[in-house]
Amino acid sequence: NAGVTQTPKFQVLKTGQSMTLQCAQDMNHEYMSWYRQDPGMGLRLIHYSVGAGITDQGEVPNGYNVSRSTTEDFPLRLLSAAPSQTSVYFCASSYGGTETQYFGPGTRLLVL
Amino acid sequence: AQTVTQSQPEMSVQEAETVTLSCTYDTSESDYYLFWYKQPPSRQMILVIRQEAYKQQNATENRFSVNFQKAAKSFSLKISDSQLGDAAMYFCAYRSSWPSGTYKYIFGTGTRLKVLA
Repeated sequence: NAGVTQTPKFQVLKTGQSMTLQCAQDMNHEYMSWYRQDPGMGLRLIHYSVGAGITDQGEVPNGYNVSRSTTEDFPLRLLSAAPSQTSVYFCASSYGGTETQYFGPGTRLLVL
Repeated sequence: AQTVTQSQPEMSVQEAETVTLSCTYDTSESDYYLFWYKQPPSRQMILVIRQEAYKQQNATENRFSVNFQKAAKSFSLKISDSQLGDAAMYFCAYRSSWPSGTYKYIFGTGTRLKVLA
């Protein structure tokens, strides 16, 4: 098993550009989520999904879109990047009843 | 809404000594899960230990153990025989249990642990 994978590892964007952060898991996990990590703020939930076709907002959803067309993939879209979105982004997954979340290696995003 | 508070931004411990990291949380729910995650410089988030709120017995994983005080809403992590490899950022996290259906994890702001040789 590859576990939770994220691409890219690092990305530089200009203000106003759009991009998609990819997340995939091969553990047949129902639950997937996206977090951002900023210094002194811990991890904050952006969006999450409890299964294919079902998504919901977390604590800081503004500026981000998600969709879940398959169990394996949960991409995060930035429609118009802003410097405030400079952060490290983590994707995580878990199998509904086990509650233990497995994290991807993170994507570092710099918006200029 | 649930909150998780880690009041110690940074802690230091001598190698082979014991250290305790604090975590308090606020919730109106009676059933939930609590976690400690470790984040080394590689940024990878690694599960250290988890505790189910309905279990009175404190969880233990080798050198890591917790002191879970449900009434006080406290969930501290004790690391015994500290090793240089324990140096990392430690995050406390809360999650509602299945019946509530929210699946939202809430993280504290973290405690940076330094291990001194």
